[in-house]
Amino acid sequence: DAGVTQSPTHLIKTRGQHVTLRCSPISGHKSVSWYQQVLGQGPQFIFQYYEKEERGRGNFPDRFSARQFPNYSSELNVNALLLGDSALYLCASSFGTGQNTEAFFGQGTRLTVV
Amino acid sequence: GEDVEQSLFLSVREGDSSVINCTYTDSSSTYLYWYKQEPGAGLQLLTYIFSNMDMKQDQRLTVLLNKKDKHLSLRIADTQTGDSAIYFCAERSKLIFGTGTRLQVFP
Repeated sequence: DAGVTQSPTHLIKTRGQHVTLRCSPISGHKSVSWYQQVLGQGPQFIFQYYEKEERGRGNFPDRFSARQFPNYSSELNVNALLLGDSALYLCASSFGTGQNTEAFFGQGTRLTVV
Repeated sequence: GEDVEQSLFLSVREGDSSVINCTYTDSSSTYLYWYKQEPGAGLQLLTYIFSNMDMKQDQRLTVLLNKKDKHLSLRIADTQTGDSAIYFCAERSKLIFGTGTRLQVFP
């Protein structure tokens, strides 16, 4: 079985541009969460989606948005990119949203904003 | 708001035990997790502990939980060079991660 897959693996963008990152969860998983990991820090929660509905949102500006599709894959969109948006963006999938459901992480998309 | 804190670095000799510590603030957390991240990779779940437990052992890994002090530790017995990585504790209610502890194992 494929694990959580994210695309692209690496991306370079210019300040002011927008970017779309994609995530395919493990088959059967209905919840997808997005995290931003700046170099040297732990992952910071951005969004959680379950059954195509937003279930949680971290402390990120409105430039960050996401959605989940009927097949449970998800996109993270970031508009008006800033240098500080350079980070590893991680997607995690889980069967549900309960605390006892294990979250599996993808390898991440490394975004560099220049 | 909720917070999870860890020491930044730990250096041990191969074969010794490693102990990585973590403190958290959210008393509603019922599950606490330990993740491992190797360079350039995503996060790998190592183990977890339910909040009504004091200890959980899983092969070379031992997790200790002091719920009163909101303190969590991960002990790795017989540490190997392949254990060199960054270790994150996380509380599951909102999956808030600590800053990570970089474990370096030297021969």
